[in-house]
Amino acid sequence: DSGVTQTPKHLITATGQRVTLRCSPRSGDLSVYWYQQSLDQGLQFLIQYYNGEERAKGNILERFSAQQFPDLHSELNLSSLELGDSALYFCASSRTSGSPNTGELFFGEGSRLTVL
Amino acid sequence: DAKTTQPTSMDCAEGRAANLPCNHSTISGNEYVYWYRQIHSQGPQYIIHGLKNNETNEMASLIITEDRKSSTLILPHATLRDTAVYYCIVRVAHNNAGNMLTFGGGTRLMVKP
Repeated sequence: DSGVTQTPKHLITATGQRVTLRCSPRSGDLSVYWYQQSLDQGLQFLIQYYNGEERAKGNILERFSAQQFPDLHSELNLSSLELGDSALYFCASSRTSGSPNTGELFFGEGSRLTVL
Repeated sequence: DAKTTQPTSMDCAEGRAANLPCNHSTISGNEYVYWYRQIHSQGPQYIIHGLKNNETNEMASLIITEDRKSSTLILPHATLRDTAVYYCIVRVAHNNAGNMLTFGGGTRLMVKP
């Protein structure tokens, strides 16, 4: 158990709909990362938040947005869903200040989104 | 971050050592080598990392060549549960605000009985 919690584990929805994926990082971790893994794309970095602020942005579509709340949990919002958005969405967190310089990211078990 | 090259797939007999190579010929002096693995559809799991010295932990050993242009992850006694995709990632040091990882295709290791 990595200590990172993601909900829901599975989600089935229709094209055009909107969903929200939730991530609770490990206790004390200030950075949260979102990744998308589809069959033909591998693990793609979407976005990172650090202590409530956007820190880095990857290949995140404009239809997707994310935020990190004061209690450090994060949500990834996916709207106007398309068939191609079907994927596993992983959240990760990392220790920042006060830790050894390990760079280790702890991943949750993912949310599997199926768009029909 | 430097690009890495890994074989697409490898097989290993159960109980034998699994040696997974990684080429990172464009690595910079301040870049670390990280290894993660992903067991089928689970979240990636950190294995080990190093800068220039060989490293060992309870999961694996990491051997980095002297010129740092390649490395090998060694699983000393592979078990069936080590069947996974192994990712070699080169990345600058972790800063105080964290630092994302860029995953390539990885090596699909199949441990066979």
